[in-house]
Amino acid sequence: NAGVMQNPRHLVRRRGQEARLRCSPMKGHSHVYWYRQLPEEGLKFMVYLQKENIIDESGMPKERFSAEFPKEGPSILRIQQVVRGDSAAYFCASGPGLAGYEQYFGPGTRLTVT
Amino acid sequence: DAKTTQPTSMDCAEGRAANLPCNHSTISGNEYVYWYRQIHSQGPQYIIHGLKNNETNEMASLIITEDRKSSTLILPHATLRDTAVYYCIVPLNRDDKIIFGKGTRLHILP
Repeated sequence: NAGVMQNPRHLVRRRGQEARLRCSPMKGHSHVYWYRQLPEEGLKFMVYLQKENIIDESGMPKERFSAEFPKEGPSILRIQQVVRGDSAAYFCASGPGLAGYEQYFGPGTRLTVT
Repeated sequence: DAKTTQPTSMDCAEGRAANLPCNHSTISGNEYVYWYRQIHSQGPQYIIHGLKNNETNEMASLIITEDRKSSTLILPHATLRDTAVYYCIVPLNRDDKIIFGKGTRLHILP
């Protein structure tokens, strides 16, 4: 059973460009979570999605950031008009969303904005 | 989330048992205790979780006090690869987001 997959693993964007980060959950998992880790800082929750629904986006910046988890295909975290402060590691986790089950994390996408 | 308190850092000799404490005095009766770790530059890794009883898996053991106000994660034979930041987490809802605190930075010494 493949684990959580994220791509790309490394992404370099110039200021003002768009960044699209993809996450494929573990087989059988219908819940996806995105977290961000700024350099030398802790992990911060961003958004929690189920298929075609955003359940909790309380950690998402109000502008430029969006996330989706379509019925088919991976979850996408989209950052428009990137700025240097967006440089971070973005981790995706998946879980079955059932009581008592843990989340499994992917290897992360390291975004560098130049 | 129930608040958890962990030491900032700990050292442990390679081959010895690493015992990582966590206080969660405000935990309620149906809240689980989860442990994750993050090895440098990698994604967080689930270790173990429990509700009331002690738990053991291939990675670690979790000892929860009878009053559930504290727990201890035990890595029975620590190796250098266990050097990581360890997070004790009590999520409000069991399918909800994880709120990571500062965790305990565990250094395994050769």
